[in-house]
Amino acid sequence: KAGVTQTPRYLIKTRGQQVTLSCSPISGHRSVSWYQQTPGQGLQFLFEYFSETQRNKGNFPGRFSGRQFSNSRSEMNVSTLELGDSALYLCASREDFGAYEQYFGPGTRLTVT
Amino acid sequence: EDQVTQSPEALRLQEGESSSLNCSYTVSGLRGLFWYRQDPGKGPEFLFTLYSAGEEKEKERLKATLTKKESFLHITAPKPEDSATYLCAVQPYNFNKFYFGSGTKLNVKP
Repeated sequence: KAGVTQTPRYLIKTRGQQVTLSCSPISGHRSVSWYQQTPGQGLQFLFEYFSETQRNKGNFPGRFSGRQFSNSRSEMNVSTLELGDSALYLCASREDFGAYEQYFGPGTRLTVT
Repeated sequence: EDQVTQSPEALRLQEGESSSLNCSYTVSGLRGLFWYRQDPGKGPEFLFTLYSAGEEKEKERLKATLTKKESFLHITAPKPEDSATYLCAVQPYNFNKFYFGSGTKLNVKP
């Protein structure tokens, strides 16, 4: 089975721009979560989607948003980028909203200049 | 407040020198505790799930154990390829969400 895939792998954007990241979960997995990872803050939960509905949300400003499609693929969007948004953005999938294990993709490295 | 603390932040070992990493947690009812390995620039790789105190899981040179307040990841006779950051996460019963520790960066020298 193919793992979680994320595109693009690397991205450089300018402050004030917006960005969209994409995630395809493991086949058969219906729940997708997004995390931000930085050296200072570690892994921080952004949100989780299941059946095209946001089920959980972390403590991030409204500039961070996401959505999930009927095929379980997910996108996250960050508007009005700030320098502090530079991070590794990780997507994780699990079979359903109640499953224990989640599996991570390779991440998208976003650099904001 | 649900919290996960990992120690030490960094650990340097000689090849073959066994040691343990610690993950202490405070959650109101533990549904599961998870260990991951993360290599630089990559996503975390799932290692183990522990559900209840007294449980142990093993994989090659790694053994994870769980008590009511903490988990240990024991590394026996480590090799340089075990060098990575090891992350611990917990999931409480009352909230279907994962809380991650800040990780322990392990460096095994040949």
